[in-house]
Amino acid sequence: SQQGEEDPQALSIQEGENATMNCSYKTSINNLQWYRQNSGRGLVHLILIRSNEREKHSGRLRVTLDTSKKSSSLLITASRAADTASYFCATDNTGGFKTIFGAGTRLFVKA
Amino acid sequence: DAGITQSPRHKVTETGTPVTLRCHQTENHRYMYWYRQDPGHGLRLIHYSYGVKDTDKGEVSDGYSVSRSKTEDFLLTLESATSSQTSVYFCAISSGLAGDNNEQFFGPGTRLTVL
Repeated sequence: SQQGEEDPQALSIQEGENATMNCSYKTSINNLQWYRQNSGRGLVHLILIRSNEREKHSGRLRVTLDTSKKSSSLLITASRAADTASYFCATDNTGGFKTIFGAGTRLFVKA
Repeated sequence: DAGITQSPRHKVTETGTPVTLRCHQTENHRYMYWYRQDPGHGLRLIHYSYGVKDTDKGEVSDGYSVSRSKTEDFLLTLESATSSQTSVYFCAISSGLAGDNNEQFFGPGTRLTVL
């Protein structure tokens, strides 16, 4: 079964608004990553947050991690039409190199 | 895309036929992965490799086998394709270096249809 579960499954917003996606997971993790997938393409790594970190920023991206609630959120500020994509959280909880992906959130940003 | 290619990009085959998908990388990364992506399921790990001739099963390995005879190539074989294996298959690589935190780089995908 999947480790990460994203919420919502789909999100539609206007350009300029902020988009927030959430991810919940079940077991202890070493780190949590967010990836983006444009239609018909492979996934692209966005940002990683380690289990001992609570918040991380990268450009217009802000990721939070709450290990007590086993949840993470990805915030995209001032969204653009080009942000339209599917976003996946992925967890690495084995200490090795097997990463488990969630089912993703489909984001649609209207121009 | 970080020096990773997949072939073929599209394939249509019939139930019961063998199919081999190829992943080729030029990054000299130690780890290679095969995932399948289906609506509502995200990416599910089929098999992965942690070195030449070293492979292990993922969560959906039944009906699939893999081989890695050299660092740059990772082959996924469906011995006898079934309609349930219709999917988009992604290969990914990662360096395995501690500082890289297992960031994975993905290929463009192979769309496989089994009739």
